[in-house]
Formats: sequence, structure tokens, C-alpha cells
Amino acid sequence: AQKVTQAQTEISVVEKEDVTLDCVYETRDTTYYLFWYKQPPSGELVFLIRRNSFDEQNEISGRYSWNFQKSTSSFNFTITASQVVDSAVYFCALSEANTGTASKLTFGTGTRLQVTL
Amino acid sequence: DVKVTQSSRYLVKRTGEKVFLECVQDMDHENMFWYRQDPGLGLRLIYFSYDVKMKEKGDIPEGYSVSREKKERFSLILESASTNQTSMYLCASSLSDSRRALHFGNGTRLTVT
Repeated sequence: AQKVTQAQTEISVVEKEDVTLDCVYETRDTTYYLFWYKQPPSGELVFLIRRNSFDEQNEISGRYSWNFQKSTSSFNFTITASQVVDSAVYFCALSEANTGTASKLTFGTGTRLQVTL
Repeated sequence: DVKVTQSSRYLVKRTGEKVFLECVQDMDHENMFWYRQDPGLGLRLIYFSYDVKMKEKGDIPEGYSVSREKKERFSLILESASTNQTSMYLCASSLSDSRRALHFGNGTRLTVT
């Protein structure tokens, strides 16, 4: 069975600080996909990024960057120069490759990020 | 942009009532999902559907059923609501490819008293 662990329940930082959200996963599949979602106070989960298991290149998008390390089964998310608008709950999720029916996402328990002035 | 619409933002029901949560998506997605979100537990999959009239149990299907009569609509049914079903319910849809991200609705916060 697949599992996603987000050990950090809550993180509080001051604006402009860098912050890293940890994600560790377990799967027996060799082909899988990893995702990060953001859930702002409005409640709707917003897709941020997807990585597949064959692509270990780090990715940067503006102030966001992701570090995928297969050797440690981790897919960490860093926000550089955090802003108040980054305050949200962030979920890491894992999906195994299609086996014919819908593939399910397994979510971690989420990390609540609070950015203050 | 994909739009996933959940019919109610807040619902209050009594124990024993039959409850229907409705979800509609407008992008012709094959897959639809129902999750519940509880503090400290993250999102847990209740049921999903990969085609009209097709459904599969997720991780916590007990006490729930689903209906998908049309491709765009996926209903979650609580046959006899109980207080431990008080939760935030999230509907999502996606294309059939597992690489595709899920698109979520705003959620329905259900309180069972």
C-alpha cells in the first residue's frame, strides 16, 4: 500500500523567511507520480506541481522549488522569501500509474503554514 | 478552466437522516472522486468512479454510497447520517490518465447533530 508522510503539522514563519515543507512517501511501484496541492482558507485545493518517478530533476517556479530524491523517497517543497499569501495548508500526494481503472491519489496529512508580518 | 461545483457549502443534518451531496464537473472528465478531510487525518478517499455507473470503494467507504448516472455528476449518499460523519467533504475530477492532476470543488462542510 502506498503512504505519504508529512511530519510537520504546523510551521510558522515571518514574512521573507525561506521555508521547506517535507514529504516522504512509500510505494512498491516503480512508476508513480507525486503532487503538491495548496489549500488556502477558501477551502479549494489548488494543484501546484506533478513529478513522475523517472524525473528527478529539481524544479523551480518563481519562489517555489521542489526537490525530488528517489534515494530517500522524499519530495520536499521550498518557498523562498515567503509572503502572507502563502499561508495555507499544503498537501503532498502520491498516485500510482494507471492499472486500467482510475488511479487514486493518496494524500499526506498536510502541513499548515502560517506566514506573519 | 475546469469547474467542479459542489451543491452546498454548508449543511446541517440530524442523526439518521439520508443525506445527498452533489458534485458536478464541466470538463468531460472520466474520473470523479469523493474525499473527506478531517484535522490530523488529511484527505481520505471514500469512493471514486472511472465511468458512468462504475464505482469503486476507496479507503473509508463504510456508511456511504455513491451514484453516477451521468458523466458530469457524482453524488455521495449518507444512508443514515451519524455524528462521526461530521466532516468536510471534497469532490474532485480528473482525466483518466493518472498523470493528470485532480481538480477540486470548494468542499461541503457537513455537520450531523
